[in-house]
Amino acid sequence: GAVVSQHPSRVICKSGTSVKIECRSLDFQATTMFWYRQFPKKSLMLMATSNEGSKATYEQGVEKDKFLINHASLTLSTLTVTSAHPEDSSFYICSARSGTSGGSNEQFFGPGTRLTVL
Amino acid sequence: GIQVEQSPPDLILQEGANSTLRCNFSDSVNNLQWFHQNPWGQLINLFYIPSGTKQNGRLSATTVATERYSLLYISSSQTTDSGVYFCAVGAVQGAQKLVFGQGTRLTINP
Repeated sequence: GAVVSQHPSRVICKSGTSVKIECRSLDFQATTMFWYRQFPKKSLMLMATSNEGSKATYEQGVEKDKFLINHASLTLSTLTVTSAHPEDSSFYICSARSGTSGGSNEQFFGPGTRLTVL
Repeated sequence: GIQVEQSPPDLILQEGANSTLRCNFSDSVNNLQWFHQNPWGQLINLFYIPSGTKQNGRLSATTVATERYSLLYISSSQTTDSGVYFCAVGAVQGAQKLVFGQGTRLTINP
């Protein structure tokens, strides 16, 4: 159980275009999803927290107009990188938390999406 | 915010050896998870252990929340254990967010 999928696994796009990444919880309902970014040989950095039916909460320094997050249902969150530039190239990973208040805080991670902007 | 420090940053061992990875954190937590990141980038959940001790095969973990550290033990290491191990914590006042340590890169030589 507790499987999270991401699509696509890899994407190459031209500078100036927008890219959408999907994150799905396959066997549980995720009230909260998270988006992380990882640079080569570095750790994961949280970009934003996404709650179903409400606006995402962005971490300091993350441009909300550039990284659009939509958590439309309890099993799907999307990250859209708008007007992508080469510096947006990175490994993007989502996670999902199924626990409600008083329950487990354990997060389960998707396999990641490698974005390359030419 | 909460600080997470993992040690050692790199560890090279021979197959069959035992290893201990450490994670120190600077504040009270209600979430602590250990992960193994495989060569394709997937984070594999090893333990959810905000306190106490757990074991799963050759791996075990202990978190002493009052002293703000956690340990991951790997016994009888195999080459497939190689990779990066991350500790991530969620602060009690942290709104469910996970903060990751910098990782320990483990290399197991045959």
